[in-house]
Amino acid sequence: DIQMTQSPSSLSASVGDRVTITCRASQDISNYVAWFQQKPGKAPKSLIYTASTLQSGVPSKFSGSGSGTDFTLTISSLQPEDFATYYCQQYKSYPYTFGQGTKLEIK
Amino acid sequence: QVQLVQSGAEVKKPGASVKVSCKASGYTFTGYYIHWVRQSPEQGLEWMGWINPNNGGTTYAQKFQDRVTMTRDTSISTAYVELTSLRSDDTAVYYCAKWGHLGLDSWGQGTLVTVSS
Repeated sequence: DIQMTQSPSSLSASVGDRVTITCRASQDISNYVAWFQQKPGKAPKSLIYTASTLQSGVPSKFSGSGSGTDFTLTISSLQPEDFATYYCQQYKSYPYTFGQGTKLEIK
Repeated sequence: QVQLVQSGAEVKKPGASVKVSCKASGYTFTGYYIHWVRQSPEQGLEWMGWINPNNGGTTYAQKFQDRVTMTRDTSISTAYVELTSLRSDDTAVYYCAKWGHLGLDSWGQGTLVTVSS
């Protein structure tokens, strides 16, 4: 199985900050990466697919990049509603696998 | 708008089976695959597999291959996942999600399945 390793596991930031979350795959997955946001007690929300394409309705403050094994999710100008847990997922090969999550907290 | 509405929470004993439903609306049900993903504090997010609602074709993660069955009823735009021989570590929230053009784009609200004696 392809392992997806996110860093950091948790991150403290202030409103207005820009943050970057990293996801590393255990093997080359081209650009078959998605990113999700999850708030407590809620289902994940899809943000990005194919590493950098925003899902419909997702604000442009979210951006993704990367190819091969290293990927990043950047969130600019943090607002209170952005504080949540973020996950990456690879869908290059079965079984599709997720990172362990990055919890973004208010400083 | 796209909606996936799942069935309610379940409590099951070890060894039993559970069947969770996912009713789709707001789009052509047979046009998009439905994936199932579960989440627990211990295992995180785990992909279980998918079903093609158009023809009933499925692909399962090897971990669940022997215990999972995904089905659908196109007459009511509903997908199902059934897990048998339940164990305590199957306790999790089970989600259905619609695969759009290039990724999961809509999720159900989740169904908590608790396995306890």
